[in-house]
Amino acid sequence: QLRESGPGLVKPSETLSVTCTVSGGSISSYYWSWIRQPPGKGLEWIGYVYYSGTTNYNPSLKSRVGISVDTSQNRISLTLTSVTATDTAIYYCARHFSGGISSYDYWGQGALVTVAS
Amino acid sequence: QSVLTQPPSASGTPGQTVTISCSGSSSNIGSNPVNWYQQVPGTAPKLLIYSTTHRPSGVPDRFSGSKSGTSASLAISGLQSEDEADYYCAAKDDDLNGVVFGGGTKLTVL
Repeated sequence: QLRESGPGLVKPSETLSVTCTVSGGSISSYYWSWIRQPPGKGLEWIGYVYYSGTTNYNPSLKSRVGISVDTSQNRISLTLTSVTATDTAIYYCARHFSGGISSYDYWGQGALVTVAS
Repeated sequence: QSVLTQPPSASGTPGQTVTISCSGSSSNIGSNPVNWYQQVPGTAPKLLIYSTTHRPSGVPDRFSGSKSGTSASLAISGLQSEDEADYYCAAKDDDLNGVVFGGGTKLTVL
C-alpha cells in the first residue's frame, strides 16, 4: 500500500512537501514516481527516484522539484519550491512496473494540495 | 497541450466494441512501449495495459492494446457499464527523457 500525506494548503511562493509511505513491501529494488493531476484535468509526470537515490525530473519542473527516498522509513518525498496556483493538484506516488518508466502498478490514493493565500 | 493526443470523449452501448486512440511521435510511441490507465472519478488511476499489449493480472481480456508506428490504441470489447471512466495513455519520450501522458478520454456507456 502507498499512502500520501501533505499539508493540504500551501501559500504562493512557498514550498510544497508531500510524503509517500509504503507499507506491506520494501522500497528497495524499485523505481518510484510522483504524478500530479490538477482538478478536472489530466495526468502530469513530475519525476522518479530509484531506491538508490538516482533521480530524473520532468524538464518543465526540474528547477523547482526534488524527490528523495528514505529506505529506513520506507518513504518517498516530494518537494516543489516557489509554488503558484497552477501547482494546485492531487499528488500521487506510484511504483514502477515492467513496461518501461511510464508503467505503474501501485498508486497511492493521492494527496490534494491547494496553493492559495 | 499534451504531448500524446487522445480524443476527449468516446461512447458506446453495452456489448459494443470501443476503440480509443493515442497519437504521438517517433520520440515516444514510435520507439517506446505504451501503457494505458483507467481512472474512475475520485479514485487513483489503475494500470490496464502495459508494454503496449500486456494485461496485468486481474484485468479482463475484454481490454486489449496495440500499436502501429507512432499511434497506439486501446480496444474495449463487450462494453459494460462499469467501463465508464477516463482512460489515459502514457509512454517514455526520448527527447524529453521523461514520461508523457495523453490528455485523457472520457468513455460514456450509453
